[in-house]
Amino acid sequence: GAGVSQSPRYKVTKRGQDVTLRCDPISSHATLYWYQQALGQGPEFLTYFNYEAQPDKSGLPSDRFSAERPEGSISTLTIQRTEQRDSAMYRCASSPGQLQETQYFGPGTRLLVL
Amino acid sequence: GESVGLHLPTLSVQEGDNSIINCAYSNSASDYFIWYKQESGKGPQFIIDIRSNMDKRQGQRVTVLLNKTVKHLSLQIAATQPGDSAVYFCAENIQGTYKYIFGTGTRLKVLA
Repeated sequence: GAGVSQSPRYKVTKRGQDVTLRCDPISSHATLYWYQQALGQGPEFLTYFNYEAQPDKSGLPSDRFSAERPEGSISTLTIQRTEQRDSAMYRCASSPGQLQETQYFGPGTRLLVL
Repeated sequence: GESVGLHLPTLSVQEGDNSIINCAYSNSASDYFIWYKQESGKGPQFIIDIRSNMDKRQGQRVTVLLNKTVKHLSLQIAATQPGDSAVYFCAENIQGTYKYIFGTGTRLKVLA
């Protein structure tokens, strides 16, 4: 595609509900990243996927967070039993594939947990 | 749109002046550094990068300086324009990984 796309753009949910966020990276890109960005702060690394490397999920804040990229393109980030502290912007980025290549960020999904 | 950086450090500069934004990075194992620009309602956008075997790199109107001794990075913007108003983040890459650590950001305000 022309750029990284994410859906939904906004999500309001009640505490305790599960949510799934979707990222569609640039079509030729092998590496996909998820970040959490709280208001007033920089993006915080959550996880990445790359065809040639083991996924690094060390940044996921708890076992309620999980991410998948089953067919090597689209990825989902699922938050189970959401809590108010999960409210943030969730950003996806992709890069061509090698280490230390430019990341292209998507528009993000704004999650609000009531 | 989304408001990025409600309580970020702010640098205010006159249009046409040069801007210098600073960043301290945390990990001695980092060997690749990037500056991003984030405008309200948008995702971070790549500006310039530098590898640890360099101490200076220039782009169009932007220069990045790296001081590994004190783990400091700076972004210099020449002849600052209103369109440069945004929040600027530095990011470091942990050597040999795909993991990036972002700094807290600086808001740049360009005064007409």
